[in-house]
Amino acid sequence: DQQVKQNSPSLSVQEGRISILNCDYTNSMFDYFLWYKKYPAEGPTFLISISSIKDKNEDGRFTVFLNKSAKHLSLHIVPSQPGDSAVYFCAASADSSASKIIFGSGTRLSIRP
Amino acid sequence: DTGVSQNPRHKITKRGQNVTFRCDPISEHNRLYWYRQTLGQGPEFLTYFQNEAQLEKSRLLSDRFSAERPKGSFSTLEIQRTEQGDSAMYLCASTPYTGELFFGEGSRLTVL
Repeated sequence: DQQVKQNSPSLSVQEGRISILNCDYTNSMFDYFLWYKKYPAEGPTFLISISSIKDKNEDGRFTVFLNKSAKHLSLHIVPSQPGDSAVYFCAASADSSASKIIFGSGTRLSIRP
Repeated sequence: DTGVSQNPRHKITKRGQNVTFRCDPISEHNRLYWYRQTLGQGPEFLTYFQNEAQLEKSRLLSDRFSAERPKGSFSTLEIQRTEQGDSAMYLCASTPYTGELFFGEGSRLTVL
């Protein structure tokens, strides 16, 4: 049973445009959400997080939006840059101290020139 | 380098052999996690420790898998009687309770 779902395995976006990566979750106990980025041959690296008390969190070019009623979150990257090409994982936890973090299957983002 | 360190980076073994992976977390991090990742999938939670206490184990972690974290420092993940289905990347991560996991580069297991 996949509790965190990323239904788009891949996404291609032109450099300079907005990249939108989507994520859905099924467990209503989740209240802390994270995005990780992974380059080949490296471990995932933390990108941005959001608590369920917020509906938006921004960090530079990255913004995460949370829609609790729809159990949906999205990551916006604007403007997209070549270095953003990577696999992006959505993750969720039932508490902000990260007792157990569940990951989605990932979306491979390719930024084309 | 003060990041999470995992060894060995790659292990090739024959079916039925035992393997052990080691993880050295960032020194001030109390929590340590093990995940498994197969091709095209996200990291699957296996287990986590708070200091030396193993607080949760996934049902994915069969009796052939055991993890320890003696003295709350480094951790080992042992797989006994390996099977071909155990072939995967085993990821270790640590955190100081912030929710931000710091991952190592992983240990890739290939079971022939």
